[in-house]
Amino acid sequence: EVQLVESGGGLVQPGRSLKLSCVASGFTFNNYWMTWIRQAPGKGLEWVASITNTGGSTYYPDSVKGRFTISRDNAKSTLYLQMNSLRSEDTATYYCTMAADYWGQGVMVTVSS
Amino acid sequence: DVVMTQTPVSMSVSLGGQVSISCRSSQSLVHNNGNTYLSWYIQKPSQSPQLLIYKVSNRFSGISDRFSGSGSGTDFTLKISRVEPDDLGVYYCGQGTQYPLTFGSGTKLEIK
Repeated sequence: EVQLVESGGGLVQPGRSLKLSCVASGFTFNNYWMTWIRQAPGKGLEWVASITNTGGSTYYPDSVKGRFTISRDNAKSTLYLQMNSLRSEDTATYYCTMAADYWGQGVMVTVSS
Repeated sequence: DVVMTQTPVSMSVSLGGQVSISCRSSQSLVHNNGNTYLSWYIQKPSQSPQLLIYKVSNRFSGISDRFSGSGSGTDFTLKISRVEPDDLGVYYCGQGTQYPLTFGSGTKLEIK
């Protein structure tokens, strides 16, 4: 059974940093691209970042490019999202997904002073 | 960016009935490799989204055949037949053909 378990969320002040983690199990992690998708409270889905199976290439929308960094440790079956210079509009539930096929339960990030 | 437009925004259906949800993209979703990366998701109350349909018409693992997807190019439809109580939630379409990946704004399905 595929399992994706996110952690690292919480309340953070604007301009500060936060790093999310996602531990994967139930599939061969290093065979799959991974993606972070977020959902602001009461809103729809927004793609945040994707990474190839080897970690050799990464992709971001303009809204987070230069502030967020996606990475992975295939030896630990773990996906990361380093979020810097956080803004109030980054407040959302962040989902770790296996190629947007399987989704984790999500982790809440609140950016507020 | 590819804009995904879903209609209706919400709908109410009787148990056992059938519904159709439309999703239109601002550009063709046919990839250079010939595949069309249009997916459908359901987000049940207080849950994460879950994949229903991928590449327009392929049901994901464990998904009932009451769910069917169709369409091509820029025009896609999700049909749900014999609606059950567990089908309530918000349905999203999403495209994976080109970056940035984008989603429709959702269709809320309520049970009468």
